[in-house]
Amino acid sequence: GEDVEQSLFLSVREGDSSVINCTYTDSSSTYLYWYKQEPGAGLQLLTYIFSNMDMKQDQRLTVLLNKKDKHLSLRIADTQTGDSAIYFCAVPNSGNTPLVFGKGTRLSVIA
Amino acid sequence: NAGVMQNPRHLVRRRGQEARLRCSPMKGHSHVYWYRQLPEEGLKFMVYLQKENIIDESGMPKERFSAEFPKEGPSILRIQQVVRGDSAAYFCASSPTALSYEQYFGPGTRLTVT
Repeated sequence: GEDVEQSLFLSVREGDSSVINCTYTDSSSTYLYWYKQEPGAGLQLLTYIFSNMDMKQDQRLTVLLNKKDKHLSLRIADTQTGDSAIYFCAVPNSGNTPLVFGKGTRLSVIA
Repeated sequence: NAGVMQNPRHLVRRRGQEARLRCSPMKGHSHVYWYRQLPEEGLKFMVYLQKENIIDESGMPKERFSAEFPKEGPSILRIQQVVRGDSAAYFCASSPTALSYEQYFGPGTRLTVT
């Protein structure tokens, strides 16, 4: 089955860029996702990228996909204190709909 | 259009009691997924249901856990004879079709077993 790995913590200064990385194992995944979870809350879909794309940009968010290395990253430009949250990378399990999540990267933004 | 609703938001049960978690999908969504999040962990898939059918229950523990999604009413995740290890946040997601990019998550039910 699919396995998704992320680093657990990231700390950045307000105004800097944040880069959160993720690796996965199943190359047949069609869509790859980034979710945001604020304390005590559910998951909010931030963005997703189709597997035939290398990059997707949406305002302050840039997703980069390296299919050869099975590496996905999320860049947040001009990081704000409101971006402090846990960010989850998620990939469908072998093309099926249940998502496999990484353990999440806790982003702390220092003012 | 209201989002995915889950209730209760917080549930406390003593060991041995039953827990019932409810999920009302978004209007027009007939696919429901349940995930469990243990402390400091990512979400783990439990079960995928379509109206009146269980499509994939590969993530469900073999005993004490069951799920249903009746023709009318919310989806129910039922945990019998709860143990401390069942303490977790349980999230429900729904989608209009069987495509993962359309999954929308509810706020979760936080179950505490004392």
